[in-house]
Amino acid sequence: DTGVSQDPRHKITKRGQNVTFRCDPISEHNRLYWYRQTLGQGPEFLTYFQNEAQLEKSRLLSDRFSAERPKGSFSTLEIQRTEQGDSAMYLCASSSRTDPYEQYFGPGTRLTVT
Amino acid sequence: DQQVKQNSPSLSVQEGRISILNCDYTNSMFDYFLWYKKYPAEGPTFLISISSIKDKNEDGRFTVFLNKSAKHLSLHIVPSQPGDSAVYFCAATTNDYKLSFGAGTTVTVRA
Repeated sequence: DTGVSQDPRHKITKRGQNVTFRCDPISEHNRLYWYRQTLGQGPEFLTYFQNEAQLEKSRLLSDRFSAERPKGSFSTLEIQRTEQGDSAMYLCASSSRTDPYEQYFGPGTRLTVT
Repeated sequence: DQQVKQNSPSLSVQEGRISILNCDYTNSMFDYFLWYKKYPAEGPTFLISISSIKDKNEDGRFTVFLNKSAKHLSLHIVPSQPGDSAVYFCAATTNDYKLSFGAGTTVTVRA
């Protein structure tokens, strides 16, 4: 088991462009979470999936953000019409049925919007 | 609204001594608490946790204490080692498993 992986690790984009990030959770983990972390702050919850169902979205997640988890495996997070305020580290985490409290994080995708 | 607070942004401790990290929370519905450790350019790594039905949990050099009446928890690291230098995040959750994090405490262990 290789842990949670995220791709790309870094993304630089111009304001107004669309970006998409991918997360591959630990295999057989049924829950998948997206968090966003800005400088000097802890991660903030964005959304989560149980299998393929998106169960909750934070009010931080504007209409420009959309997340999917087809077939309950990998997940994608898309940001449309990026703004400079979207610059942050986007973290993905997953947890299992047997231990749902403990979330295992990926290395994150660092987004810079210029 | 910041429901989990870590009021000390940094902590410097000599190698071999005890590191004590503090965390306060405001949401009385939180029933599970975790500590994560983060190195630069890596994601947070789970360290230790405690359920609200306990007041102490120990794992090797790491001990977490929970004081529910004060809505306060602390992480003790004894003895501190150079590899412990990192950012430590306190997190809390209810039965929906979404984590609420504090802003983190940067620990520096001096040789």
